[in-house]
Amino acid sequence: GAGVSQTPSNKVTEKGKYVELRCDPISGHTALYWYRQSLGQGPEFLIYFQGTGAADDSGLPNDRFFAVRPEGSVSTLKIQRTERGDSAVYLCASSALGGGSDTQYFGPGTRLTVL
Amino acid sequence: TQLLEQSPQFLSIQEGENLTVYCNSSSVFSSLQWYRQEPGEGPVLLVTVVTGGEVKKLKRLTFQFGDARKDSSLHITAAQPGDTGLYLCAGFLSGGGADGLTFGKGTHLIIQP
Repeated sequence: GAGVSQTPSNKVTEKGKYVELRCDPISGHTALYWYRQSLGQGPEFLIYFQGTGAADDSGLPNDRFFAVRPEGSVSTLKIQRTERGDSAVYLCASSALGGGSDTQYFGPGTRLTVL
Repeated sequence: TQLLEQSPQFLSIQEGENLTVYCNSSSVFSSLQWYRQEPGEGPVLLVTVVTGGEVKKLKRLTFQFGDARKDSSLHITAAQPGDTGLYLCAGFLSGGGADGLTFGKGTHLIIQP
């Protein structure tokens, strides 16, 4: 079956603009994660959804970042008033149940560039 | 402060050589995972180690979890050009912490033919 897909694959925006990044997880996976990978770094955890609810949003850097998963499948990461420091690859992952023993499957990421 | 330190950051060796990549922390992890990431793609899970002292083999790759569950290593025997990529270690902190994975910065591995 299909893996995790993310759209768009690339997004270029101007400082101060609003952006939305979309993640389509593997069908039936209840757990969904967002990570951010800056150049030369490993991925950094942002937020974890279990079903429709954000079970852990401790990694969101500030209140400009927000994510939703209204029907427990597709998720959207929203960034307000973008800053140049937000430039990174935003990765989405899903797993069947969540938790430490469950394999996370990553999408290819959305490369965000803030000019 | 990086919770998981990987070394070396960059490694370029000839085909057929052996190599070891290290992942170290001062914190205890309930499990550690190794991923491989190709350019333009997300990380792909190679292995999960859970028990202190555990050794797992995946063809020419050998993974070890330290006895105290604070470190791990990845050993590749007779490296091939197809092994080229970014190798990331990641884990879940023991005793609480975020529900997401904590990653190291990665080791960029190049195997030259």
